[in-house]
Amino acid sequence: SAVISQKPSRDICQRGTSLTIQCQVDSQVTMMFWYRQQPGQSLTLIATANQGSEATYESGFVIDKFPISRPNLTFSTLTVSNMSPEDSSIYLCSAQWSTDTQYFGPGTRLTVL
Amino acid sequence: AQKITQTQPGMFVQEKEAVTLDCTYDTSDQSYGLFWYKQPSSGEMIFLIYQGSYDEQNATEGRYSLNFQKARKSANLVISASQLGDSAMYFCAITNTGGFKTIFGAGTRLFVKA
Repeated sequence: SAVISQKPSRDICQRGTSLTIQCQVDSQVTMMFWYRQQPGQSLTLIATANQGSEATYESGFVIDKFPISRPNLTFSTLTVSNMSPEDSSIYLCSAQWSTDTQYFGPGTRLTVL
Repeated sequence: AQKITQTQPGMFVQEKEAVTLDCTYDTSDQSYGLFWYKQPSSGEMIFLIYQGSYDEQNATEGRYSLNFQKARKSANLVISASQLGDSAMYFCAITNTGGFKTIFGAGTRLFVKA
């Protein structure tokens, strides 16, 4: 299976600040995604990170709040902007090489005070 | 639109026994895939098993098997010989084979008793 790493693994941030989460994959992949998991909830897709073009956002998520970069086929970043306590969640990136192969990074546990 | 329903918020099983976690789905796609993931308290999502909609055989991976009943739109996970380390949240998910967008169910928390 692929190795997917995320940095930071956890962080505690003050409201109004921004945090950028990095996701690195050990082999090239076309499809990368960002998910949010609020406390006690399931995973919700934030956006598809497209290489070389703007990310595709799901309903309820906007680029100004969650800007995403995808400079190449092994790396992506998600920024959580102007944070509030409601943004406290686990943020997970995933990579999918084919229909039957989707793996997740270890997640970033974010707490906003 | 695709939807996953997991009706069991929590399940208990005795160590070494088998347990079935339920998952039903709804989709208008003819071609799709079904995943099961395990999420321990550490928060990572661990891939367990995958079933394609056109696969005729039920998927198996070690102690995990997927009871796929296409006509009933169900994809239940069976864990045989439960171990204490199986205590975790389990998520069922569906993906369409076109855009790879994946939708997750609410999850089932499994408790394995010694």
